[in-house]
Amino acid sequence: GAVVSQHPSWVICKSGTSVKIECRSLDFQATTMFWYRQFPKQSLMLMATSNEGSKATYEQGVEKDKFLINHASLTLSTLTVTSAHPEDSSFYICSAPGTSGGTHITDTQYFGPGTRLTVL
Amino acid sequence: DAKTTQPTSMDCAEGRAANLPCNHSTISGNEYVYWYRQIHSQGPQYIIHGLKNNETNEMASLIITEDRKSSTLILPHATLRDTAVYYCIVRVGRGNTPLVFGKGTRLSVIA
Repeated sequence: GAVVSQHPSWVICKSGTSVKIECRSLDFQATTMFWYRQFPKQSLMLMATSNEGSKATYEQGVEKDKFLINHASLTLSTLTVTSAHPEDSSFYICSAPGTSGGTHITDTQYFGPGTRLTVL
Repeated sequence: DAKTTQPTSMDCAEGRAANLPCNHSTISGNEYVYWYRQIHSQGPQYIIHGLKNNETNEMASLIITEDRKSSTLILPHATLRDTAVYYCIVRVGRGNTPLVFGKGTRLSVIA
């Protein structure tokens, strides 16, 4: 199956700083990627849809100026948490739909291993 | 996308079959049933999906009732490594739309 990686796997930062999380599709191209957030003992919540070459689409209640998404290439999407605060501490996960033949988007989505952010 | 209902938790003895039910009574004709699982502190892992026929792969089997209002994921020989939260998701089969996760079923495989 397709592989999605995330970097870093965990990060600790001070309140007020910005943190960038990378999501890469390693062996396939992804024009669309999705970003989720998961708080302890809760399910995954969709934050935004990242589109290569265009603006991201954010879910209701997610601040686009705080969670900056850049999808600069067909294999990389980044999520930057700006001016992070302790309440932003969470598990951030990205996903991308797989492809067959390099272009046809399949029904299956593949998830990265997640990035655990802790803001002190 | 149609809503799903799953039990909050289940236990299964190691080596036995784990049968995880899911109700999706409002499923539409063009919606697929997907199953993913999430082992603690990892990203979700795709297991299987189907439209109306039963499906089997190297990980599991998916049994969908004839009226498609419910389904069962079967792990034929559960191991301790199958302990995870299992999510049943109903969605139109378009890969470039996001998955909406419910609360899932926490499966505990016991030695």
